[in-house]
Amino acid sequence: GNSVTQMEGPVTLSEEAFLTINCTYTATGYPSLFWYVQYPGEGLQLLLKATKADDKGSNKGFEATYRKETTSFHLEKGSVQVSDSAVYFCANRGTGRRALTFGSGTRLQVQP
Amino acid sequence: SQTIHQWPATLVQPVGSPLSLECTVEGTSNPNLYWYRQAAGRGLQLLFYSVGIGQISSEVPQNLSASRPQDRQFILSSKKLLLSDSGFYLCAWGLAGDTGELFFGEGSRLTVL
Repeated sequence: GNSVTQMEGPVTLSEEAFLTINCTYTATGYPSLFWYVQYPGEGLQLLLKATKADDKGSNKGFEATYRKETTSFHLEKGSVQVSDSAVYFCANRGTGRRALTFGSGTRLQVQP
Repeated sequence: SQTIHQWPATLVQPVGSPLSLECTVEGTSNPNLYWYRQAAGRGLQLLFYSVGIGQISSEVPQNLSASRPQDRQFILSSKKLLLSDSGFYLCAWGLAGDTGELFFGEGSRLTVL
């Protein structure tokens, strides 16, 4: 079946630090992979996605590469800002699946 | 462009009372519609999804139900709320037959006392 595992939070970083949030998955077929971000009190916004192996999704300085051999989709950013403080969710959508399966979320806190 | 709206944004209800959360989508036809729940400090749990009017699939057994009376309207209901129903409820839509992303509403925070 489909599952997503992401690192426990909170992750606390200083401004301009390098960010990595690990995400691994299991899925049937060839899943699409996603990162969503949730700011306090709001719904989820799509941050980036990748639909096939070796694709790199990128947006707002964030990147993630679809690694089929390690079943991973780690989120990275070279220099975080205070405004990046939020909860980040990794998700997959397996072949033939109508819904996304989400990880438990990782809270990022960036301090000035 | 497509938009999704859900209401109410915040709800405080006593145990045993009924619930109705509503979600509407504009700017698209025949979307797939979803209800997810986010409990405090936890991830997102899929509750229901719908691929068309009157077609509801339930992912987990619970005292909640969903209905889709119109193409772009999705309603989450309960006849009698439990304390464990407290959480943040998110409605989402996706393109029919697509394997891409889902688009989420603003969320409805439910507190059951």
